[in-house]
Order: sequence, then C-alpha cells, then structure tokens
Amino acid sequence: EPEVTQTPSHQVTQMGQEVILRCVPISNHLYFYWYRQILGQKVEFLVSFYNNEISEKSEIFDDQFSVERPDGSNFTLKIRSTKLEDSAMYFCASRRQGGNEQFFGPGTRLTVL
Amino acid sequence: GENVEQHPSTLSVQEGDSAVIKCTYSDSASNYFPWYKQELGKRPQLIIDIRSNVGEKKDQRIAVTLNKTAKHFSLHITETQPEDSAVYFCAARGSGGYQKVTFGTGTKLQVIP
Repeated sequence: EPEVTQTPSHQVTQMGQEVILRCVPISNHLYFYWYRQILGQKVEFLVSFYNNEISEKSEIFDDQFSVERPDGSNFTLKIRSTKLEDSAMYFCASRRQGGNEQFFGPGTRLTVL
Repeated sequence: GENVEQHPSTLSVQEGDSAVIKCTYSDSASNYFPWYKQELGKRPQLIIDIRSNVGEKKDQRIAVTLNKTAKHFSLHITETQPEDSAVYFCAARGSGGYQKVTFGTGTKLQVIP
C-alpha cells in the first residue's frame, strides 16, 4: 500500500539556521498539506497546496515559512530562520482528488537549539 | 475559522469497559469528521470517519455518532483492550475545496489490564 514518506526523521538545528523538511506524497494525490505538533499538544494546520500554489495557510505560517513542489514527487517545507518555538513534529499529508482521507507521513521531529 | 473542542483530556478505563470521547465543532459548514489514533512518536492514524449526511457509523468495536444540529460528535470504543491505549484526536473538515482538517485537543486513553 502506498504511503507518504518524510525525510529526515529527526533534524537538529541551531536557532537562526534554515531547514528544509522533505515529503514524498502518494503519487496520484493532488492535495498536499503540512501540519505541526508541538510535543504533547494537538496537531495544527500550517498550509495546504494544490496546483502548484498555496491554497490556504494558517497564522502560524508566516514569512519565515515557505513550501515548494520542486519536481513531480517532492513537497518541501522551508523554515528560513528557525526559532526555539519551531521545535515540533512536522507532518506532511496528501489527499487524492475527490477523496476525504488525508494520509499522513511519519513526521520529522525538528529540534531547534 | 473552525474550532474543535474535545473532552475529556484523559480517560482511564478497565479492560473490557467502554470508552467515550466527545467533541464539538463551531463551523456548521464542516462536513467530514475523522477520528485519529496516535501512538507515542507516531503519525496520526485514521480509525474511523463520518460524513455530515450520516448520523452513525460503526466498525467492529468502534462507533462514531454525529449530531449536526448540536454540532457535536462522539467516539465510542467497546470492549477496550490494552492496545487501545493511545491519544485520540477528533477533527473536522470544512466544505471548502482545499479542505484543511482542524484537530481537537486530544484524549489520552489508558486501558488498564
């Protein structure tokens, strides 16, 4: 069964550094999402992406964040200048056209020191 | 935007007993309500979902009920087993085309053998 994959599984970075989190959605899916989950808290929506552009973003998704689909398979989340409070688990998800379910990847644990 | 409230935050039950988790949502346009189970350090896994045109859905030991008028929905787990121990999140999805999912705050279920 196809799955969403994410790399790396764990990323440690210094405050102020740029990080890129990578996701490979399920191949025939057209809608892509990033969520984050601070340890012990709920899953929070960051951004949705469709047809090569952002379709919706939350207030968390400020100018420090960007997303890109650089090729036909990858979907990336970039944080330009990381802050301590960016430490969280970041989940990518994808959904097929006409489907309800969003399929989540295994997550990338980002630790900002 | 959508706001999803979830209760209780923690729930302990004896093995074999039932567990009930309740959620309310704010946006009357929401039309899809998934429930996720999340084990420590893992991705949210969809366990059951319900659309707004259905009042109840059951899958083996798990059932979900939806009251659209009152804007609340519930998860029922019968004959609980130790492997049911996890954090459970309810969620609601709006009717917009890009369909971000808004999560509840989570319920930590502990099934005591």
